Amino acid sequence: IAGITQAPTSQILAAGRRMTLRCTQDMRHNAMYWYRQDLGLGLRLIHYSNTAGTTGKGEVPDGYSVSRANTDDFPLTLASAVPSQTSVYFCASSMEGEGTEAFFGQGTRLTVV
Amino acid sequence: GQNIDQPTEMTATEGAIVQINCTYQTSGFNGLFWYQQHAGEAPTFLSYNVLDGLEEKGRFSSFLSRSKGYSYLLLKELQMKDSASYLCAVRDSNYQLIWGAGTKLIIKP
Repeated sequence: IAGITQAPTSQILAAGRRMTLRCTQDMRHNAMYWYRQDLGLGLRLIHYSNTAGTTGKGEVPDGYSVSRANTDDFPLTLASAVPSQTSVYFCASSMEGEGTEAFFGQGTRLTVV
Repeated sequence: GQNIDQPTEMTATEGAIVQINCTYQTSGFNGLFWYQQHAGEAPTFLSYNVLDGLEEKGRFSSFLSRSKGYSYLLLKELQMKDSASYLCAVRDSNYQLIWGAGTKLIIKP
C-alpha cells in the first residue's frame, strides 16, 4: 500500500442495504476524514477522526457512521442506504498541525437504486 | 454561516495566464489551500497560504489577503494537462477544511 487506499472503487447498491466503504492509509497520519462530493457542491465532510479511538461529526453525518479502531483504518458505514446517498466518497488523511495538507484516496463512486 | 465562493467555470488558451479567484467567509482562519482535481480523480494538493502575500511554486502561484477574505491561484504558461477543477479550501477555527465548489478550467489550443 502506498498512501491512502479506498475500496471498492465503485458500487451499485439497492436501497435499504447496509454498506461499508473501506479506507486504509500507511502514512501514519493521525487525522482522517470522509467526504462526499456531489456535482455543483464542494466537498462536504461526513465524519472525521483526529486520532485513533476518537471520531466526530462533520457537516452531513446523518445516515453514516464511522469507527477508528487503529491509526490506519477508517471505515464508513451506511446502515440503510437511500438514493440521496448516491455520490462520490473520498477518504482523506493528514498530520495534525498548521500547513499540513490532506491526502486523498482515489474515491468510491456509489449509486443507490 | 461559512461560505467559499469561486467561479463555476473558466476558459483559457494554451500558453496563456489565468487567475482563479476565491473569496471566503469562515469562522476563524487557519490557512487556505488550493487543490487540483482532474475529472474522475482525487484532489491533489497545490498550495498553502497562511500569511498575506504571494507563494510561488513553478508555474503556479497563490495569493492571500486575509483582511479581504480573498485568494487567487495564478497559472502561467498554460498546458492542456492543466484542464481540471481547482478547489479552494479554508481551515476554520476548529481546524476543519471548508471547501468551495471548485472552478472547472477548460484549456483550448
